Amino acid sequence: KQEVTQIPAALSVPEGENLVLNCSFTDSAIYNLQWFRQDPGKGLTSLLLIQSSQREQTSGRLNASLDKSSGRSTLYIAASQPGDSATYLCAGRGSGTYKYIFGTGTRLKVLA
Amino acid sequence: DTGVSQDPRHKITKRGQNVTFRCDPISEHNRLYWYRQTLGQGPEFLTYFQNEAQLEKSRLLSDRFSAERPKGSFSTLEIQRTEQGDSAMYLCASSLAGGGLTNEQFFGPGTRLTVL
Repeated sequence: KQEVTQIPAALSVPEGENLVLNCSFTDSAIYNLQWFRQDPGKGLTSLLLIQSSQREQTSGRLNASLDKSSGRSTLYIAASQPGDSATYLCAGRGSGTYKYIFGTGTRLKVLA
Repeated sequence: DTGVSQDPRHKITKRGQNVTFRCDPISEHNRLYWYRQTLGQGPEFLTYFQNEAQLEKSRLLSDRFSAERPKGSFSTLEIQRTEQGDSAMYLCASSLAGGGLTNEQFFGPGTRLTVL
């Protein structure tokens, strides 16, 4: 059974720091991986998608990578801002299924 | 607004009642997902549609839950004989099958269900 672990569970940092959020899958055969942010009481906002033929994606201050040999992904946030405060979730889909498995998230607080 | 929409946003019901939620995906998206999320957890997959066909359903989903997507457009999720354990946020997402970034899932705002 595929399980997803996100480390750390919570993080509080001063503004301007560079951050690394981690996501690991028990089954490393990940076909697609997507990172999301979720603000309290809201739906999910897509940040980055890494497809089967890719190893990383970048958007602005965000960079996500996927190591398919280990089933681990990292989300790098450069020069963090208070507006980055949210819960960050990773979700992966294996081949042969349409089912996405989510981690429990990393709750990030960036202090001004 | 061309994003995913869900209706209602909030639903309070008494145990034993039936409830139905609606999801309108992004217009050209042929893939549609339903998830359930409880406090402090990530979303849990419920079911997947490609066009009007329900291709995958979670084994955790009891037979009180049913979903439809007639004509491959909007989708409905019905819960019969609700229980207090059904209280959660129900999320809908859509995506477009194909290459490039078209597999990217976009989520709606969710329907928060409270069963008293």
